[in-house]
Amino acid sequence: AQTVTQSQPEMSVQEAETVTLSCTYDTSESNYYLFWYKQPPSRQMILVIRQEAYKQQNATENRFSVNFQKAAKSFSLKISDSQLGDTAMYFCAFSDAGGTSYGKLTFGQGTILTVHP
Amino acid sequence: NAGVMQNPRHLVRRRGQEARLRCSPMKGHSHVYWYRQLPEEGLKFMVYLQKENIIDESGMPKERFSAEFPKEGPSILRIQQVVRGDSAAYFCASSPPIADTGELFFGEGSRLTVL
Repeated sequence: AQTVTQSQPEMSVQEAETVTLSCTYDTSESNYYLFWYKQPPSRQMILVIRQEAYKQQNATENRFSVNFQKAAKSFSLKISDSQLGDTAMYFCAFSDAGGTSYGKLTFGQGTILTVHP
Repeated sequence: NAGVMQNPRHLVRRRGQEARLRCSPMKGHSHVYWYRQLPEEGLKFMVYLQKENIIDESGMPKERFSAEFPKEGPSILRIQQVVRGDSAAYFCASSPPIADTGELFFGEGSRLTVL
């Protein structure tokens, strides 16, 4: 079974600064997806960024980028130029790439990020 | 294009009552997933359905919980004889029949409170 671990229960950052959220996972699969989801106080789950395991290039989405280290099974999220609207719970998630496991996400425990003005 | 619609957003039940949560997937999506989020925890997979079929229910509690996705109408998560431990946010997600992104689209969740 896959596991996802987020070792930082809470993080804080000053507006406009950069912050990195950590995530490690364990799997025996070779092909899979990794995600970072954001859950603001409204509790809506919003996809921030995704990474396909077979792609070596790290994914980027505007101010959000990942550092994907497949051998180390590490998938950290870097938020640059932090904004007040980035304040939320962030979840790292894993999904097997195919078969009946498709869409079956395994989530980490979450990291509460607070951006201070 | 409407997103995943869940209702009710908030539901209060007394112990022993039944709770029914509904989910309409995004237009064109035929795969539905239910997840549960207990307070201060991440989401936990419950069940994966396609139209009229349960594909994977490995995360569903063995008793009192059931899910369906009929040919017509929304997917329904049903909890019979609710207990306080069922209090949680229940999220529905959907995906298209053919997808190579692995991405799920989540609804806003239904918050169940059991008194």
